[in-house]
Amino acid sequence: GAVVSQHPSRVICKSGTSVKIECRSLDFQATTMFWYRQFPKQSLMLMATSNEGSKATYEQGVEKDKFLINHASLTLSTLTVTSAHPEDSSFYICSARRGGPRNIQYFGAGTRLSVL
Amino acid sequence: QKEVEQNSGPLSVPEGAIASLNCTYSDRVSQSFFWYRQYSGKSPELIMSIYSNGDKEDGRFTAQLNKASQYVSLLIRDSQPSDSATYLCAVNFGPSNTGKLIFGQGTTLQVKP
Repeated sequence: GAVVSQHPSRVICKSGTSVKIECRSLDFQATTMFWYRQFPKQSLMLMATSNEGSKATYEQGVEKDKFLINHASLTLSTLTVTSAHPEDSSFYICSARRGGPRNIQYFGAGTRLSVL
Repeated sequence: QKEVEQNSGPLSVPEGAIASLNCTYSDRVSQSFFWYRQYSGKSPELIMSIYSNGDKEDGRFTAQLNKASQYVSLLIRDSQPSDSATYLCAVNFGPSNTGKLIFGQGTTLQVKP
């Protein structure tokens, strides 16, 4: 079964609204979670690294004030797309890193965001 | 400069054949390498991980790693139509396992009945 739960799976919203996406690790504690964005026929692009109890680390070119990340517990990270616009429409995917030297990441099912 | 490179394909093989997927990476000190499978509209699922030079086999899948050549591959034996998907190569860059993965653009595999 799934070890990482992501919710919601699909969101359709009006331009200017904010959307929150949740990512939960179900059977392990994840001090580090990751948020990716994927446009059609393109690969996953890392947006930010979510660290439990501290500020997220954003990749170059990702606006931290637009994509708010909160990792308040060892099993939950949230991504809020603020004032969403049509160009933010994309497939957002989170992953959680299971502890240990093997560095394995498990992915959530993804959230398809459509901004009208 | 791309850090993880894959041929986007599509790679088309007949059912029952061996599919060979290749990936090169730019960072010589990378330690962890992964193959993920992604069906259209779905999120990636882990197929294989490999950390040492050589081959690693799991069922019909074999991952091969050559750090000197900075090359990692995935072989799928007895390919099935259900294997048709995009295969993503991912590399953890740097000498330590920081967790940050860089993905290749993916290779689309089509297995024809």
